[in-house]
Amino acid sequence: AQSVTQLDSQVPVFEEAPVELRCNYSSSVSVYLFWYVQYPNQGLQLLLKYLSGSTLVKGINGFEAEFNKSQTSFHLRKPSVHISDTAEYFCAAKRQSGNTPLVFGKGTRLSVIA
Amino acid sequence: NAGVTQTPKFRVLKTGQSMTLLCAQDMNHEYMYWYRQDPGMGLRLIHYSVGEGTTAKGEVPDGYNVSRLKKQNFLLGLESAAPSQTSVYFCASSSTFPRGAPSYEQYFGPGTRLTVT
Repeated sequence: AQSVTQLDSQVPVFEEAPVELRCNYSSSVSVYLFWYVQYPNQGLQLLLKYLSGSTLVKGINGFEAEFNKSQTSFHLRKPSVHISDTAEYFCAAKRQSGNTPLVFGKGTRLSVIA
Repeated sequence: NAGVTQTPKFRVLKTGQSMTLLCAQDMNHEYMYWYRQDPGMGLRLIHYSVGEGTTAKGEVPDGYNVSRLKKQNFLLGLESAAPSQTSVYFCASSSTFPRGAPSYEQYFGPGTRLTVT
């Protein structure tokens, strides 16, 4: 069975500072990896995804993530955050084979402080 | 193109009452999902469907039933609501054979906030 662990439940950061949200996955098979963002009182939207190829993936709103197979990690980064980045961020994984659903981590609440 | 819509947006139930949540998508997606979101628990999959007329259990299926009579709709039913089912419910959909490079992206609805007293 696969699982996704987000190491920090809450991350406060000052505006214009860099941020890293950590995600580790465990799986005996190859997986696709995703980061979703949830703004207050809204559904989830896709930030970025890793399917194959370059391990550095760029997404919307200036976010990027790096797939590290040896460390089974897929950390999300942004060099300079804005107040509008305040949201909950979810890491998710999906088995590459078969039609199994996404497995989500428990989320990291990013709070950007002015 | 409305994407994924959910009805209702809010609902308050008394213990033992029943209700049905409706999810509709207009993207011709094969797969549909129901999740519940609780503080500190992330999203947990309740049931999902791989196509019209088929359903499967997810991580937390107890106390819920689903039906997928039409490809565009996925219904989530609570036969006898319990306070433990107080949550925010999200529906999502995804395609199985996307054109071009596969994306496997799930598209989410805005959620239904359910309170059971």
